[in-house]
Amino acid sequence: AQSVSQHNHHVILSEAASLELGCNYSYGGTVNLFWYVQYPGQHLQLLLKYFSGDPLVKGIKGFEAEFIKSKFSFNLRKPSVQWSDTAEYFCAVNARTGANNLFFGTGTRLTVIP
Amino acid sequence: ETGVTQSPTHLIKTRGQQVTLRCSSQSGHNTVSWYQQALGQGPQFIFQYYREEENGRGNFPPRFSGLQFPNYSSELNVNALELDDSALYLCASSLYNTGELFFGEGSRLTVL
Repeated sequence: AQSVSQHNHHVILSEAASLELGCNYSYGGTVNLFWYVQYPGQHLQLLLKYFSGDPLVKGIKGFEAEFIKSKFSFNLRKPSVQWSDTAEYFCAVNARTGANNLFFGTGTRLTVIP
Repeated sequence: ETGVTQSPTHLIKTRGQQVTLRCSSQSGHNTVSWYQQALGQGPQFIFQYYREEENGRGNFPPRFSGLQFPNYSSELNVNALELDDSALYLCASSLYNTGELFFGEGSRLTVL
């Protein structure tokens, strides 16, 4: 069975600090990997995705993530956070074949202090 | 905006009642998935509909059922509501087997 672990439940940073959120997944086959963000009162939005190719993927709003296959990891990074990045971040995975059902981690709440 | 709309946005039911939640998928999408997001948790997959048939199901009992209509919109029905069914129910649309889902804002269900 697939599972996703997000190591940090709540991260508090000051503006301009660098961000790295951890994500590890468990699955024996080939996967697609995603980071979604949920701003307060808004719907889940796709930040970035990895299907294949370059393991360093860039998303919206300056976010990037690196897929390290040997570590089953897909960590999210941003060099300099802004107050507007305050949100809940979810890592998700699905199998490359079959249904599109995503397995989500429990999420990391990011609070950015101005 | 994703173009996925859900209704109602909020509702309150009592234990034992039944509820129907509705979802209109994004234009051009043929697959609808439903997720349950309990407070403080990540979304959990309930089931997916493609070509008006269930095409995958998570670990949810049969009292969770759904429909997909020819226009690709969908309903989620929950019978015999329990207190633990209180959650945000998310609908997501996609093209089949593309791996990328577009979520609506959700329907928040409270069961008293």
